[in-house]
Amino acid sequence: EVQLVESGGGLVQPGGSLRLSCEASGFTFSSYEMNWVRQAPGKGLEWVSYISSSDTTIYYADSVEGRFTISRDNAKNSLYLQMNSLRAEDTAVYYCARGAPRAYFDYWGQGTLVTVSS
Amino acid sequence: SYVLTQPPSVSVAPGQTARITCGGNNIGGKTVHWYQQKPGQAPVLVVYDDNDRPSGIPERFSGSNSGNTATLTISRVEAGDEADYYCQAEDMLFGGGTKLTVL
Repeated sequence: EVQLVESGGGLVQPGGSLRLSCEASGFTFSSYEMNWVRQAPGKGLEWVSYISSSDTTIYYADSVEGRFTISRDNAKNSLYLQMNSLRAEDTAVYYCARGAPRAYFDYWGQGTLVTVSS
Repeated sequence: SYVLTQPPSVSVAPGQTARITCGGNNIGGKTVHWYQQKPGQAPVLVVYDDNDRPSGIPERFSGSNSGNTATLTISRVEAGDEADYYCQAEDMLFGGGTKLTVL
C-alpha cells in the first residue's frame, strides 16, 4: 500500500524557517517524481514545487521561488521542503503528492499544517 | 496566464446526476484530472486523463473534455459524494474548486 506521511509543520514567526519531511513507503520511491501542494485555510489547492526522480529537474511556483527549496533522499525514501523567509500567506496545509509535470497526482499524504504568525 | 474556472457550488438530490464544470480557453486541447476532497482529508484522484478512473473509484464517476469546458459527471449521487471537487490541467494548475452538496 502506497503511503506518504508528512511531518515538520508547526507555528513559526514571519521571517522564520521550517523544514517539512515526507516519508514514502509501499512503492519504489526513487522511480517517482514528487511534489509539494498546499492549501490555505478554507481555500483551494496550490501546487508549490516539483522534483524529478533523480532530482535533476526542479520547479517552483512563482510565489515561493527563491524562498523554498525542495530536495529528496532516495536512500531514505524521503522528500523535503525547506521553507525560509516565511510569510503569513504561506500559512497552509502542505501535502506531498506523487506525480509528474503535465500529469496527475495519484497519491497524497495526509498533510502537515504550517502556521506563520507572530 | 491560464485560468481554470469552476462554479463555487453545485447541489443535487440523492440518486440524481451531478455535473461539475471546469472552464478554460481551449481546455479540450489539454488533459484534465479531477480530485475529490472531503472535509479534513487529503484530495483523492477520481478521474485522470479526461475520462479514466483509478482503481477503486466507482463507475458512477466519469469525465469529458471538449472545447472550452471539461466536465466531471457523478451519476446516481450518494450522500457520501458530498465533497469539494477540483479540476487540474496544464502543468499542475488547479481550478478554484466546487462544493458538491447532496440535498
